[in-house]
Amino acid sequence: RKEVEQDPGPFNVPEGATVAFNCTYSNSASQSFFWYRQDCRKEPKLLMSVYSSGNEDGRFTAQLNRASQYISLLIRDSKLSDSATYLCVVNTGSGNTGKLIFGQGTTLQVKP
Amino acid sequence: DVKVTQSSRYLVKRTGEKVFLECVQDMDHENMFWYRQDPGLGLRLIYFSYDVKMKEKGDIPEGYSVSREKKERFSLILESASTNQTSMYLCASSSGLAGVFGPGTRLTVT
Repeated sequence: RKEVEQDPGPFNVPEGATVAFNCTYSNSASQSFFWYRQDCRKEPKLLMSVYSSGNEDGRFTAQLNRASQYISLLIRDSKLSDSATYLCVVNTGSGNTGKLIFGQGTTLQVKP
Repeated sequence: DVKVTQSSRYLVKRTGEKVFLECVQDMDHENMFWYRQDPGLGLRLIYFSYDVKMKEKGDIPEGYSVSREKKERFSLILESASTNQTSMYLCASSSGLAGVFGPGTRLTVT
């Protein structure tokens, strides 16, 4: 079983739609969680951290469910520019020795 | 502007050659990572280092070694390149939380 699992998609949605991605992780001792965005032929870039209480950044909302070991990302009012691959990332370490494990990524295509 | 740099964007090597991929970060991060990314497989961790001269194997260390002699530099070495090591190689660094990536090196082994 992979340490971090995501549905690879692709998710094809119209502009303005709301779309949600989920990610599950296997290591219950994982300390911190993130969503990254990767555009075609570019390196991944941090989109947002995921906090236990849930957090929002504009149209993006991230949530963590430790009991069920999953993380979610909700995108509201999708824009064409949101088309990318979204990577779920889990830090399985403690203190400063964090090992970053990536999910396979979920591809989003927003269409006009 | 803080950043992670990688020595080459594109590299073509022959089977059996020894290949060095260099990564440098200017953020004074303790942790550095090497991943490879292949279609359908996502990012897979090859090696990571949490301190100078310290290293730990990731999920796919076979055929690779690493060197971290200075805090800012983390090198990935392919001792004898093979065609199945053709891939995108991504270096990242972090202070213990989220990581910052370099632009990647697309390596082709012929």
